[in-house]
Amino acid sequence: DAGVIQSPRHEVTEMGQEVTLRCKPISGHDYLFWYRQTMMRGLELLIYFNNNVPIDDSGMPEDRFSAKMPNASFSTLKIQPSEPRDSAVYFCASSPEYNEQFFGPGTRLTVL
Amino acid sequence: GESVGLHLPTLSVQEGDNSIINCAYSNSASDYFIWYKQESGKGPQFIIDIRSNMDKRQGQRVTVLLNKTVKHLSLQIAATQPGDSAVYFCAERDNFNKFYFGSGTKLNVKP
Repeated sequence: DAGVIQSPRHEVTEMGQEVTLRCKPISGHDYLFWYRQTMMRGLELLIYFNNNVPIDDSGMPEDRFSAKMPNASFSTLKIQPSEPRDSAVYFCASSPEYNEQFFGPGTRLTVL
Repeated sequence: GESVGLHLPTLSVQEGDNSIINCAYSNSASDYFIWYKQESGKGPQFIIDIRSNMDKRQGQRVTVLLNKTVKHLSLQIAATQPGDSAVYFCAERDNFNKFYFGSGTKLNVKP
């Protein structure tokens, strides 16, 4: 298995631009998680899905952030408009049940 | 323990020694705990987990101990190797089914 796949691995954009991060979970995993990691705040859960349905989005910072999971093999996290304080590493993780999570390599986002 | 901010607590050990990494969790109702290892430039990697009805669980070279009385979790790594150098996170799943991660401890293994 290829594991969780994220793209792009690095993204540099200017303030105000739309950013879309992509994730392909491990096949057969029913849960998908989006995390943000910064030096100041550590690893924060943004949102998670179960069987493509958003269950808990209480960690999404504000309305500029949105996440979708149109099917079992694909999810996106969108930031519109992006701001410098959104700069972080964004991880996607998947899990067969609501326990051990398998993380992707992350997307390092820099907003100038 | 854990700290928040720019400076991770660091544990330096000699290759071959045993390592003990500690974590204090916040919610006495949390029922499931995980230890993750994160190497530079990579995503966290599962090491071992434990449910709240257990006090101890062993894996290959690793042991997790859970003390619910003081809300403390520890990860013991036997015969630490240079490849063990990484940041280690504990995570708890609370009674609302939400996961929280600690800020991490950096393990530095000296050859």
